[in-house]
Amino acid sequence: SYELTQPPSVSVSPGQTARITCSGDALPKQYAYWYQQKPGQAPVLVIYKDSERPSGIPERFSGSSSGTTVTLTISGVQAEDEADYYCQSADSSGTYDWVFGGGTKLTVL
Amino acid sequence: EVQLVESGGGLVQPGGSLRLSCAASGFTFSSYEMNWVRQAPGKGLEWVSYISSSGSTIYYADSVKGRFTISRDNAKNSLYLQMNSLRAEDTAVYYCARVAWLQLFLDYWGQGTLVTVSS
Repeated sequence: SYELTQPPSVSVSPGQTARITCSGDALPKQYAYWYQQKPGQAPVLVIYKDSERPSGIPERFSGSSSGTTVTLTISGVQAEDEADYYCQSADSSGTYDWVFGGGTKLTVL
Repeated sequence: EVQLVESGGGLVQPGGSLRLSCAASGFTFSSYEMNWVRQAPGKGLEWVSYISSSGSTIYYADSVKGRFTISRDNAKNSLYLQMNSLRAEDTAVYYCARVAWLQLFLDYWGQGTLVTVSS
């Protein structure tokens, strides 16, 4: 198994840009995915394959990858973006190992 | 509209058993791989188990291997998780989630069912 490491918390003011990182040795070989989870709700996919945005997800959400780190960027943060964000990756080449990062609490000040 | 509805959660004593169900609708259930993911109170997400569309391939997280059994009934559009020898650390909200077609991410999640293991 492997690990994905996220900062526990990120804080930004409304209208600013939030960047949430996720680091892991397997990320150069595997895609990363990002989920948003608001209190009492199920997670929702916001980015897939490092940088693709599902339909219905606002354009202010974007993703990027560089080496062992992937980054979720939220431009022009809104109050409604306050949530927990989890990165995820998976290896299906052998034991089908799915891993989630520990999650990052985004606080909109 | 894709819907996943979990049921079967509740309070169980350590060492006990519980069977979770997930009723799927709004898509061709038999064509999709499925996962169970759990979230302990105030904690992050943890992948629990995977089952292929036919049910022929199954994987488990090390933390539940040998105690939990995933299964599905494609005729009933249902996914199951049989949980035996439950421990306090199994206390969590359990989500069933659909694997996106031929991908390695989860595109739809249920609302979750709470399992509490306590004496």
